[in-house]
Amino acid sequence: ETGVTQSPTHLIKTRGQQVTLRCSSQSGHNTVSWYQQALGQGPQFIFQYYREEENGRGNFPPRFSGLQFPNYSSELNVNALELDDSALYLCASSLGGRTDTEAFFGQGTRLTVV
Amino acid sequence: AQSVTQLGSHVSVSEGALVLLRCNYSSSVPPYLFWYVQYPNQGLQLLLKYTSAATLVKGINGFEAEFKKSETSFHLTKPSAHMSDAAEYFCAVSANRGYQKVTFGTGTKLQVIP
Repeated sequence: ETGVTQSPTHLIKTRGQQVTLRCSSQSGHNTVSWYQQALGQGPQFIFQYYREEENGRGNFPPRFSGLQFPNYSSELNVNALELDDSALYLCASSLGGRTDTEAFFGQGTRLTVV
Repeated sequence: AQSVTQLGSHVSVSEGALVLLRCNYSSSVPPYLFWYVQYPNQGLQLLLKYTSAATLVKGINGFEAEFKKSETSFHLTKPSAHMSDAAEYFCAVSANRGYQKVTFGTGTKLQVIP
């Protein structure tokens, strides 16, 4: 089991609402990445934060935004929720923002938009 | 651009038989390649990674994968399947962009038949 924890584990929201998902990274890790995993699909990269700055982003609209705090924990915010936002949201922490280091994943937050 | 293609969304093997999960990648720069496993309602766990050292990579739980540049492949194998290997497996590629954007395949569900 990794040291990456995500909260909440499950969430139900109504279309048009806003949601905040939280992630505590593994001790010593300064990089957090967020992924969206739709049912039956592989995870899709949303963005990455390295030392409190966004340093990479996938093909997601601006209503997906994030923060990283001085303790390297992170939040994913999604505004104006759409039905297609229903998915498992995974947070991964790693060290250094490099491409060859192992990313440790949390168990995810299952978001359902109705 | 980088991508991975996993051949076969479902694979069934008998307990004790060889496991072979196929992955082909595309990357404009030398890639780093990963195999992750996902058990139901859990996050992703790294099985093994290739980062340009030895082309035959050994991972956890008896899995290994061989990087073949000429075939752009990174197939995952295990000599003898156990019931506990039943899970979904994701091949992933990460290219050096200065940040770690991992691109996942669509996954292969492995069923192990007693």
